[in-house]
Amino acid sequence: DGGITQSPKYLFRKEGQNVTLSCEQNLNHDAMYWYRQDPGQGLRLIYYSQIVNDFQKGDIAEGYSVSREKKESFPLTVTSAQKNPTAFYLCASRPPDKSNTEAFFGQGTRLTVV
Amino acid sequence: QKEVEQNSGPLSVPEGAIASLNCTYSDRGSQSFFWYRQYSGKSPELIMSIYSNGDKEDGRFTAQLNKASQYVSLLIRDSQPSDSATYLCAVKNSNYQLIWGAGTKLIIKP
Repeated sequence: DGGITQSPKYLFRKEGQNVTLSCEQNLNHDAMYWYRQDPGQGLRLIYYSQIVNDFQKGDIAEGYSVSREKKESFPLTVTSAQKNPTAFYLCASRPPDKSNTEAFFGQGTRLTVV
Repeated sequence: QKEVEQNSGPLSVPEGAIASLNCTYSDRGSQSFFWYRQYSGKSPELIMSIYSNGDKEDGRFTAQLNKASQYVSLLIRDSQPSDSATYLCAVKNSNYQLIWGAGTKLIIKP
């Protein structure tokens, strides 16, 4: 079955630690996105990538980093520079920008700082 | 002004009634419009997409688009408790970016 897989579902981070959230898709989509969602809030764009080896900052990129070495994979690293990383992280993908197709989401990763 | 605006709610509707959710957008060149449903702790799932003016119906759901007034709405007929969720409006603007509203929390009261 085609889809987007995020792992892990739950992640705990100690202060000062970097952690990496995984996102893999087998939908053959070019574009991939990372969003952050805080309780009762909408989706805020962290980073996005339209093609392999290229990505752009979203609205809240500070304290985060990404890579896009393969079309299928778009991992997000939450660095120690992100002071308030506790949130629900969602990865999404969709076909190239000029299509009308909707975004497809993974099941999300809930990150908690302990 | 936010690019995509929704009333955060909560919107409380009796079971069996019609729930009406609204979304306005600022980019007049926007092309595609999507409604997603998100249950607490889960990822958003697509409910409806609409691309041209008018109504689009799918079961109990109807999406309405009015490009002249720059709003898109979602009607849910015969509301059920299982419809209780947050509904997110997403708009693909003239730069092909997908812009999200903050969502409206809908509560269906039995």
